[in-house]
Amino acid sequence: GDSVTQMEGPVTLSEEAFLTINCTYTATGYPSLFWYVQYPGEGLQLLLKATKADDKGSNKGFEATYRKETTSFHLEKGSVQVSDSAVYFCALGHIIQGAQKLVFGQGTRLTINP
Amino acid sequence: DGGITQSPKYLFRKEGQNVTLSCEQNLNHDAMYWYRQDPGQGLRLIYYSQIVNDFQKGDIAEGYSVSREKKESFPLTVTSAQKNPTAFYLCASSMKGGSNQPQHFGDGTRLSIL
Repeated sequence: GDSVTQMEGPVTLSEEAFLTINCTYTATGYPSLFWYVQYPGEGLQLLLKATKADDKGSNKGFEATYRKETTSFHLEKGSVQVSDSAVYFCALGHIIQGAQKLVFGQGTRLTINP
Repeated sequence: DGGITQSPKYLFRKEGQNVTLSCEQNLNHDAMYWYRQDPGQGLRLIYYSQIVNDFQKGDIAEGYSVSREKKESFPLTVTSAQKNPTAFYLCASSMKGGSNQPQHFGDGTRLSIL
């Protein structure tokens, strides 16, 4: 079945450091790919998405490129801020029996120190 | 503002008791979903509904029940048959369509056993 694997956390960085959170997936067909962010005590917020191969999703300085050849969707940001501290989830979206199903990775906790 | 409202934010259940978690959306979305989140894990799908008066089991439906009598509402009942109900429960909704439709999440309900 479909699956998503994220790099193990927690990840701790200093402010203004470069961020990469790895995400790889296994899926049949052509899923859409998403990154969601979860702040403490809250639900998930969509950060960015890409719907086909070579698409780049971007938002708030974060970027991820849909790489079909390596089945990856790594999240990057050039200069992180303390406010970026959160848990990040990679997910793929697929239509199964007519319904959209999201499959999530286990999440990566990111802490940014001033 | 449009969004998804989950209530209550915190809920306590006694042994052998059923409890119902509320989820209401005013986004005019057709599809609604319930997920369970355990510490350090990704989200797992409990139930989903694409249209009123219809719903399907997700990956971990045992011990849970839902109803979809109105487009805006998708309550989840955690029954006494669910032996390990302590978790963070998230409701989501999306427009119908392809796998590229993102899901929008509420802020969650944290359920604990007394």
